[in-house]
Amino acid sequence: GAGVSQSPRYKVAKRGQDVALRCDPISGHVSLFWYQQALGQGPEFLTYFQNEAQLDKSGLPSDRFFAERPEGSVSTLKIQRTQQEDSAVYLCASSHGPRGDLFFGPGTRLTVL
Amino acid sequence: AQRVTQPEKLLSVFKGAPVELKCNYSYSGSPELFWYVQYSRQRLQLLLRHISRESIKGFTADLNKGETSFHLKKPFAQEEDSAMYYCALIPPPPGGYNKLIFGAGTRLAVHP
Repeated sequence: GAGVSQSPRYKVAKRGQDVALRCDPISGHVSLFWYQQALGQGPEFLTYFQNEAQLDKSGLPSDRFFAERPEGSVSTLKIQRTQQEDSAVYLCASSHGPRGDLFFGPGTRLTVL
Repeated sequence: AQRVTQPEKLLSVFKGAPVELKCNYSYSGSPELFWYVQYSRQRLQLLLRHISRESIKGFTADLNKGETSFHLKKPFAQEEDSAMYYCALIPPPPGGYNKLIFGAGTRLAVHP
């Protein structure tokens, strides 16, 4: 079956612009995670959803970052007033349960000019 | 500070040579440890986890709590092993979900 999908795959934004990144998890996966991967670094945890509930948002770097999963399926990560330091690959991952094997999406590469 | 350290950014070996990718962690208690791999143009995927004590694609990793290490080893490297390798852990006490902490990664290049 289809894996985790993310769109867009690439996004170029001007500094100050708002962006929205979409994640379609594997159907039936309860748990959804967002990670941020800066160039040359490993992924860093941003936030975790169990169904529609955002149970952990401790990794969101500022209040410009907002994530939602209103129907417990598709999730959107929104970044307001983008800054150059927001440039990174944003990874989405899902799992059948909270401790199940994580399946990663291909990522969205965000470049802020 | 709590962290996962992979001291080598690049490890370059010849085909058939042994490989050891180093990983050290600085968490107290008993974290769950993992190795993830990302082949060229592919997604990040789980390679192995310490609780399974398994060998995947000839790779093994032993958790050494005394040295707080979880090095990844393979006795004979193959060209298809060339990839980025990330050590990761779920910190103790387990939060009940996969809040992974990753190292910065090591690029393994296996030359013919």
